[in-house]
Amino acid sequence: DTGVSQDPRHKITKRGQNVTFRCDPISEHNRLYWYRQTLGQGPEFLTYFQNEAQLEKSRLLSDRFSAERPKGSFSTLEIQRTEQGDSAMYLCASSFSVGQGDSPLHFGNGTRLTVT
Amino acid sequence: QKEVEQDPGPLSVPEGAIVSLNCTYSNSAFQYFMWYRQYSRKGPELLMYTYSSGNKEDGRFTAQVDKSSKYISLFIRDSQPSDSATYLCAMSPDRGSTLGRLYFGRGTQLTVWP
Repeated sequence: DTGVSQDPRHKITKRGQNVTFRCDPISEHNRLYWYRQTLGQGPEFLTYFQNEAQLEKSRLLSDRFSAERPKGSFSTLEIQRTEQGDSAMYLCASSFSVGQGDSPLHFGNGTRLTVT
Repeated sequence: QKEVEQDPGPLSVPEGAIVSLNCTYSNSAFQYFMWYRQYSRKGPELLMYTYSSGNKEDGRFTAQVDKSSKYISLFIRDSQPSDSATYLCAMSPDRGSTLGRLYFGRGTQLTVWP
């Protein structure tokens, strides 16, 4: 399977702990996105990268959140000092962009975070 | 008011029925419209992708966009139990740097019973 891969699938942590998630995009895709989805809601945009550059961040991305994409390949999303409100599915997606064009997003199966 | 409104359902239909799903939106800048299907504990899977107003058909699925009414629809013909999932509409203002910056509805949960 050469789709978007996310690890771990499920993470349970105690409030106040730090967590890190990993996303491996489709290999030829140069754009990578992070979304958050809470129960009964649609995904909400958090941030995106073109290659290794982080180009946009949502106001949902508080200073406890940090994302990186070293070398323009895989990406990590870290949440520091987790709160119960951080409990959600964290989705990664990737796309291919050339010039002004951009292919539709392909999503991974997400990392489900539970903060107790 | 959210930029994209979608009735969450749930919607329950018998196998073979025609299903109609829809979304309304408030941002007239939206140009690209997508429908994603999401099975339980899985990521969204792209079903249909349309630009501006008009219809697009792909097998049993038809997507319609009416920009004058800010209304989009997805029709599923001859629905099957395997179509049981949550259907998410999504839209984007342009095809430039932010096509991937999607605005989603909350999803409609569909069950097709045999």
